[in-house]
Amino acid sequence: GENVEQHPSTLSVQEGDSAVIKCTYSDSASNYFPWYKQELGKRPQLIIDIRSNVGEKKDQRIAVTLNKTAKHFSLHITETQPEDSAVYFCAARVNTGFQKLVFGTGTRLLVSP
Amino acid sequence: DGGITQSPKYLFRKEGQNVTLSCEQNLNHDAMYWYRQDPGQGLRLIYYSQIVNDFQKGDIAEGYSVSREKKESFPLTVTSAQKNPTAFYLCASTPQGARSGNTIYFGEGSWLTVV
Repeated sequence: GENVEQHPSTLSVQEGDSAVIKCTYSDSASNYFPWYKQELGKRPQLIIDIRSNVGEKKDQRIAVTLNKTAKHFSLHITETQPEDSAVYFCAARVNTGFQKLVFGTGTRLLVSP
Repeated sequence: DGGITQSPKYLFRKEGQNVTLSCEQNLNHDAMYWYRQDPGQGLRLIYYSQIVNDFQKGDIAEGYSVSREKKESFPLTVTSAQKNPTAFYLCASTPQGARSGNTIYFGEGSWLTVV
C-alpha cells in the first residue's frame, strides 16, 4: 500500500547549523508533498509544500526539494534557531480519487543554543 | 487553522463507554477528516467525508463511527469496540476534498485517555 518513510527520527543540531530531513514515498502518482511542524501537544502547522511540477521551493530559511525519479523529497532548514525545535512531518498525497495524505512518522528536531 | 474547533481538549473514557469528539469548522470547507496520532508516530486516517451525508472509512476505522449531517460538523464517536483508544485525535478540513492542490488545515486536537 501507500507508504512514506521519513529519516532521521531524531536530529540534534547547534544553533546556526543546517538541518535536513528526508522522505521517500511509494506511490509514483503522488503529486503534492507538504511539510508540517508540530510542537508538543499542538496541531500540525503547514510550513511549506511542493507540487510535482517543480523541483525546489524556498521560503526564507526553509526549502524543500523533490526528486520524482527517485521518489524522494527533503526539507532543508538553514540557520536553525531554538524555536525551530519541534517534530516535523512529511506527507505525500496519494491518488485515490480524493485528497488523502499519507504521513511519515516524524522527525524530532532539537536545536541547542 | 483558527476556523476548525475541536472539543473537548481533554477527555477521559472508562472501559466500555462510547465517547464523542466534536469538530466544527466555519471555513466553508467541503471535505473533513479525522486522524489519530500516537506518541512517536505519524498521523493515521480514521474517516473522511467529501460532502454532507457522505463519509468513507480511512485506514484505521474499526471501533470508530462518524456522521456528516451538516457541512460544518463532523463528530467522531470512539466506541467500546476500539480497544486501544488512548491517543491524540486531530480533525482537519480542505476546501474541495476531491480536487488537487488543497492544503489540509488541522484543528487543535483532542486528547483521549482511557481510565
